[in-house]
Amino acid sequence: DAGVTQSPTHLIKTRGQQVTLRCSPKSGHDTVSWYQQALGQGPQFIFQYYEEEERQRGNFPDRFSGHQFPNYSSELNVNALLLGDSALYLCASRGPPANVLTFGAGSRLTVL
Amino acid sequence: AQSVTQPDIHITVSEGASLELRCNYSYGATPYLFWYVQSPGQGLQLLLKYFSGDTLVQGIKGFEAEFKRSQSSFNLRKPSVHWSDAAEYFCAVGTLKAAGNKLTFGGGTRVLVKP
Repeated sequence: DAGVTQSPTHLIKTRGQQVTLRCSPKSGHDTVSWYQQALGQGPQFIFQYYEEEERQRGNFPDRFSGHQFPNYSSELNVNALLLGDSALYLCASRGPPANVLTFGAGSRLTVL
Repeated sequence: AQSVTQPDIHITVSEGASLELRCNYSYGATPYLFWYVQSPGQGLQLLLKYFSGDTLVQGIKGFEAEFKRSQSSFNLRKPSVHWSDAAEYFCAVGTLKAAGNKLTFGGGTRVLVKP
């Protein structure tokens, strides 16, 4: 049973560019959340998607946007990249019966 | 607003010795509490969780944690550490309304295991 899969695993962008990260949830899961983990810090909640709608949002600017597709997969888009956006971006999915998150291995973004 | 504090940034422990990682939280209602472990270059793996009931919870890999409401703590313990336990450990608290979705994490504790 595949867990949460994320792509790409690593990528390098320059300031001002835009990036799209992708996530496929664990089989049977219908809710996807995104977290940003800066180096040496704990993950911070970006937003959560359920039924193709953004349900909750953390303290992140509008440059961070997302989407959930009918097959429950999700994308995270970041526009106008800043150096401070360099981080590991983690996707997590949740589904019945337990209220726990299953995390992917993450996409490491470096902004130069 | 909810918050989580992990007072120890680094802990070094000898293989075979016991380990205790501290976690203090601030939350206005009944918390859902979690411990995750992250190995280098990896995502987060759930060690254990507390939702309600018995305040001593058992997890995977021989870990356990005790919820103490009066101290707002959820400390993680392991009686005998193995070299493979070297990793970063994160405590997290979730909301009741959307438990498991929005988690607030502590800053993490990095555990080094000496042979």
